[in-house]
Amino acid sequence: DTGVSQNPRHKITKRGQNVTFRCDPISEHNRLYWYRQTLGQGPEFLTYFQNEAQLEKSRLLSDRFSAERPKGSFSTLEIQRTEQGDSAMYLCASSFGIGYTFGSGTRLTVV
Amino acid sequence: AQKVTQAQTEISVVEKEDVTLDCVYETRDTTYYLFWYKQPPSGELVFLIRRNSFDEQNEISGRYSWNFQKSTSSFNFTITASQVVDSAVYFCALIGDNAGKSTFGDGTTLTVKP
Repeated sequence: DTGVSQNPRHKITKRGQNVTFRCDPISEHNRLYWYRQTLGQGPEFLTYFQNEAQLEKSRLLSDRFSAERPKGSFSTLEIQRTEQGDSAMYLCASSFGIGYTFGSGTRLTVV
Repeated sequence: AQKVTQAQTEISVVEKEDVTLDCVYETRDTTYYLFWYKQPPSGELVFLIRRNSFDEQNEISGRYSWNFQKSTSSFNFTITASQVVDSAVYFCALIGDNAGKSTFGDGTTLTVKP
């Protein structure tokens, strides 16, 4: 197991298109988190799962954002009708207990 | 609500100097955890250290040390004898007693010059 894997690493999309990102956590980790990071800022919490249950969602997660974690394994984050303001690094992390292991992130650019 | 403040936006030092990164936090939780992460230019956040709210013992781990003071809500991080490879953005973060989401500061960009 080589850590948390995120795909794709980079995504360029046109405004209005839908995009989907995938995160594969460390296999024995039961919690999975999504964060968004814009330039010059710290990561901002979006949502997290314990196994397959989505336990908390940030107000940042508008109706255009949806996240799933079927069967408590990998997770997907979908953004519908992308806007330029969605351009950011999307980080996934997993944990078993306190403390995260982060993936390398997916950098989204909306043009 | 939780808040983490890193007042230093950028720090520049010359190699082998010691450098301290400041972090001040706010939380109403009685149990919480504090972290420092490093984000090099490659982008991946790397865990450095963790401290829980019941343990104010300060420790040294290699070139890293930290000073946790509940009385002033501060969790400062020191790199001794800095190296060029320490150049990165450093984030302080807080997890409350629900052990769920983390609240991050906005980071301190450390540049170590040769």
